Amino acid sequence: AQSVAQPEDQVNVAEGNPLTVKCTYSVSGNPYLFWYVQYPNRGLQFLLKYITGDNLVKGSYGFEAEFNKSQTSFHLKKPSALVSDSALYFCAVRDPLRGKSTFGDGTTLTVKP
Amino acid sequence: EAGVAQSPRYKIIEKRQSVAFWCNPISGHATLYWYQQILGQGPKLLIQFQNNGVVDDSQLPKDRFSAERLKGVDSTLKIQPAKLEDSAVYLCASSASTGTDTQYFGPGTRLTVL
Repeated sequence: AQSVAQPEDQVNVAEGNPLTVKCTYSVSGNPYLFWYVQYPNRGLQFLLKYITGDNLVKGSYGFEAEFNKSQTSFHLKKPSALVSDSALYFCAVRDPLRGKSTFGDGTTLTVKP
Repeated sequence: EAGVAQSPRYKIIEKRQSVAFWCNPISGHATLYWYQQILGQGPKLLIQFQNNGVVDDSQLPKDRFSAERLKGVDSTLKIQPAKLEDSAVYLCASSASTGTDTQYFGPGTRLTVL
């Protein structure tokens, strides 16, 4: 069975500093990996995905993620955080055949001015 | 392009009552998903449709939850009777197909069961 772990419930960074939100996964076969962001009282918004190819994936709002097969990780990164990046972030892994996604429990990112 | 629409946005009911949620996916999207998101947790897949057929309902509590997607477009999710532990946000999502296609989420319905 596939699974996702987001080891940090909360990440705090200062505006302008780099940020990292961690994600590790377990899946049989090639992983399809996604990051979503959720703002209060809103649905999840797609940020980026890794299907194949370059290990560094670029997405929306200046976010990027690095796929590391040996460490089974897919950490979300941004070089310079903004206060508006404060939100709840979810990592997900998808079964490529059936399309079933499994989500982590989320990491709350707080960016302080 | 219009996004995924859901209604109602909020619903408060008492335990043992019934409730229904509606979802209209993005036009042309063949795959539709219903998720349950309990506070402090990630979304959990309840049911997945491909057109009007069920692909996965392994985590749907079938004794009280039901869902349908008539004509392969919009969908309804019903709970009857509701329990306290059903309090959650119910998210609908759609994608063009399965596999690598991105899922697009609606705003969700927040259900409170008293």
